[in-house]
Amino acid sequence: EPEVTQTPSHQVTQMGQEVILRCVPISNHLYFYWYRQILGQKVEFLVSFYNNEISEKSEIFDDQFSVERPDGSNFTLKIRSTKLEDSAMYFCASRGGDSPLHFGNGTRLTVT
Amino acid sequence: GIQVEQSPPDLILQEGANSTLRCNFSDSVNNLQWFHQNPWGQLINLFYIPSGTKQNGRLSATTVATERYSLLYISSSQTTDSGVYFCAAYTGGFKTIFGAGTRLFVKA
Repeated sequence: EPEVTQTPSHQVTQMGQEVILRCVPISNHLYFYWYRQILGQKVEFLVSFYNNEISEKSEIFDDQFSVERPDGSNFTLKIRSTKLEDSAMYFCASRGGDSPLHFGNGTRLTVT
Repeated sequence: GIQVEQSPPDLILQEGANSTLRCNFSDSVNNLQWFHQNPWGQLINLFYIPSGTKQNGRLSATTVATERYSLLYISSSQTTDSGVYFCAAYTGGFKTIFGAGTRLFVKA
């Protein structure tokens, strides 16, 4: 079964540094998403991406965040200047048309 | 915006017991998805169910969209069922709103 793949699985960075989280969605999917989950809490929507542009974003997704689909396969989330409170698990997801979300295994980001 | 509430927040079962998890949503939704987050943090898709009932082995789900709730049934629970169960509501836009989850522990 096709999978959403995310790299790296773990990322440790210092406060103020830029990080890029990478995702390869399922190849024939059209909608791409980033979610985050702070340890022990609920899964929170960050941003959705469709037709090469952001379709919706949450209040969490401020100017420090950006997303890109630089080629036909990758989907990235960039955090420009990380803060301690950005420490979380970041999940990428994709879906086709009217079909369920498929999640990657996540990237655990630790900001020190 | 839409609110998604899950109950109970925590559940401890003896292996072999049955349970029902509930998901209430405050407004109409286009669809509803149930996930199991295993102890390794992976989000596993269980059901994608806008209405009606679906079954997959020991698990089944029912969504009553007109009354704004969904139920997840786990029968003959096993220790591998432990983890957190989330429901997620699909709104009219591109956003999917998750509930806070039900944390299940199945004792051997």
